[in-house]
Amino acid sequence: DAGVTQSPTHLIKTRGQQVTLRCSPKSGHDTVSWYQQALGQGPQFIFQYYEEEERQRGNFPDRFSGHQFPNYSSELNVNALLLGDSALYLCASSYSDRDNSPLHFGNGTRLTVT
Amino acid sequence: AQSVTQLGSHVSVSEGALVLLRCNYSSSVPPYLFWYVQYPNQGLQLLLKYTTGATLVKGINGFEAEFKKSETSFHLTKPSAHMSDAAEYFCAVSDSGGYQKVTFGIGTKLQVIP
Repeated sequence: DAGVTQSPTHLIKTRGQQVTLRCSPKSGHDTVSWYQQALGQGPQFIFQYYEEEERQRGNFPDRFSGHQFPNYSSELNVNALLLGDSALYLCASSYSDRDNSPLHFGNGTRLTVT
Repeated sequence: AQSVTQLGSHVSVSEGALVLLRCNYSSSVPPYLFWYVQYPNQGLQLLLKYTTGATLVKGINGFEAEFKKSETSFHLTKPSAHMSDAAEYFCAVSDSGGYQKVTFGIGTKLQVIP
């Protein structure tokens, strides 16, 4: 049973560029959440997708956008990259019909902005 | 708004000694509480969760945590530390399991000294 998979594992971009990160949820999960983890910090909630719509959003600017596909996989897009966007981006999936469904995390994408 | 405070960003224990990682939460509704562990260059793995019912929760790898509503605490313990326990530990709170936004603490890095 495949867990949450994220691609790529590492990425280096230049300020001002755009980036797309990808996530496949754990089998049977239909909800995908994205988190940003800066160095030495806990994960910060970016947004959550369910039924191909953004259901909740954290305190992140509109430069951060996402998408969920019919197969429940998801993308995170970041436009006009800033140095401060350098972080580990974590995708987590869960099952909406189960109130106690905990988050299952992927290993993340390490984004470096130079 | 929900939040968690982890007391001590770094904790060192000797191998075989008691592990105690502290977490206090703030929530306007009955909380769901979690402890996650993160090994270097990996995502987060669920150790244990509290939803309702028994206040002493047992998790994986010999860890347990006790929910104390009067103290708004959810401290993580393990009777005897093992070298493989060296990692970063995150306390987290949600108002409904993994279905909604999960708020993480800043993390506590556990060092185990041989």
